[in-house]
Amino acid sequence: SQTIHQWPATLVQPVGSPLSLECTVEGTSNPNLYWYRQAAGRGLQLLFYSVGIGQISSEVPQNLSASRPQDRQFILSSKKLLLSDSGFYLCAWSLTGATDTQYFGPGTRLTVL
Amino acid sequence: QQPVQSPQAVILREGEDAVINCSSSKALYSVHWYRQKHGEAPVFLMILLKGGEQKGHEKISASFNEKKQQSSLYLTASQLSYSGTYFCGTLISASGGSYIPTFGRGTSLIVHP
Repeated sequence: SQTIHQWPATLVQPVGSPLSLECTVEGTSNPNLYWYRQAAGRGLQLLFYSVGIGQISSEVPQNLSASRPQDRQFILSSKKLLLSDSGFYLCAWSLTGATDTQYFGPGTRLTVL
Repeated sequence: QQPVQSPQAVILREGEDAVINCSSSKALYSVHWYRQKHGEAPVFLMILLKGGEQKGHEKISASFNEKKQQSSLYLTASQLSYSGTYFCGTLISASGGSYIPTFGRGTSLIVHP
């Protein structure tokens, strides 16, 4: 069966510090991968998605970036965090195809102070 | 364009019924429903792929009216465990001919004893 891991689970970072969040998927090959951000009490905002190694599409302009160095690894990064980057970051995977059902990881709660 | 959910919040007592609606200004080709418990990741409930399709699991069911571009989630005889935020999701076209997921803002459901 497929599983998705994210780490760390929680993170408190000062403004201006760098960020690296990692997501890995097990039990499937060539999944579509996604990064979402959810502000407190808000919906799911799609940040990046990837259909293959090295292929990244950005949906929202921001100071974040994403990379996919391996088939089942997706990394979210920032060189300098802003206060507005605080939120709940979710990685998700889906099978390539018409339905694109999203299977979410446990999430990382980021607080920027 | 993200789908529109209504109502924004529902408060029930155990055993009562609820309906959550999801509509789109654009054609809906599929509708996903997810539930998110507080502090956790969203969990997939069901997907509806065809107009007129209805699905259900125990006392949670959904319908999809393709012509009206809307879907409804029905929670019957609600239980305390139904509390959470419910999201509908669909796919919208993106650059390069791909489709990306987009979600409604969510409906908060609170079930009291």
